[in-house]
Amino acid sequence: GAGVSQSPSNKVTEKGKDVELRCDPISGHTALYWYRQSLGQGLEFLIYFQGNSAPDKSGLPSDRFSAERTGGSVSTLTIQRTQQEDSAVYLCASSPGDRNEAFFGQGTRLTVV
Amino acid sequence: AQSVTQLGSHVSVSEGALVLLRCNYSSSVPPYLFWYVQYPNQGLQLLLKYTSAATLVKGINGFEAEFKKSETSFHLTKPSAHMSDAAEYFCAVKPGTASKLTFGTGTRLQVTL
Repeated sequence: GAGVSQSPSNKVTEKGKDVELRCDPISGHTALYWYRQSLGQGLEFLIYFQGNSAPDKSGLPSDRFSAERTGGSVSTLTIQRTQQEDSAVYLCASSPGDRNEAFFGQGTRLTVV
Repeated sequence: AQSVTQLGSHVSVSEGALVLLRCNYSSSVPPYLFWYVQYPNQGLQLLLKYTSAATLVKGINGFEAEFKKSETSFHLTKPSAHMSDAAEYFCAVKPGTASKLTFGTGTRLQVTL
């Protein structure tokens, strides 16, 4: 596709359930980011993948959060035992290189009820 | 560690007036700097970027920003505001290669008649 694709666009889940959010980056982009944006807030960094290097996981808020990137392409963000405070828009972005900007997907709006 | 500070979470200007959105950064190495815009209920879009070439950077929609190393600033300006400029603006820093992209908390720009 032409841009970063995220699925689902909306997800409503019950507290305590696990959820998986998917990101398809732009083909050929080596860097991939996950961010979280709560209502009216800025972008909170979660995790950064760059090529074959070990990911920067310094932004993951708890061990309930994990992410993987298979084959240097598609990425999945998993949240286990969801809590109401996990409700937010989860944004994925990819970039072709270090000097280049990140291109953002439209996000997944997660609501935990 | 890198960080970004955006002074003023809300800025209000009259249509036709100068727009000035402030961004200061900290980085231990020469940074790459970006401004993004987020219109209501939309994704993030790149306005402009600084990647160690010209210090005055021109972007889309008449916006520009100047990199001032001595002041560690990258303020965003536009000579004449339009109603369509009303949005959330985010400054971001990437300190060198193979590093994460860190965002400021954002500034909401309101344009009044």
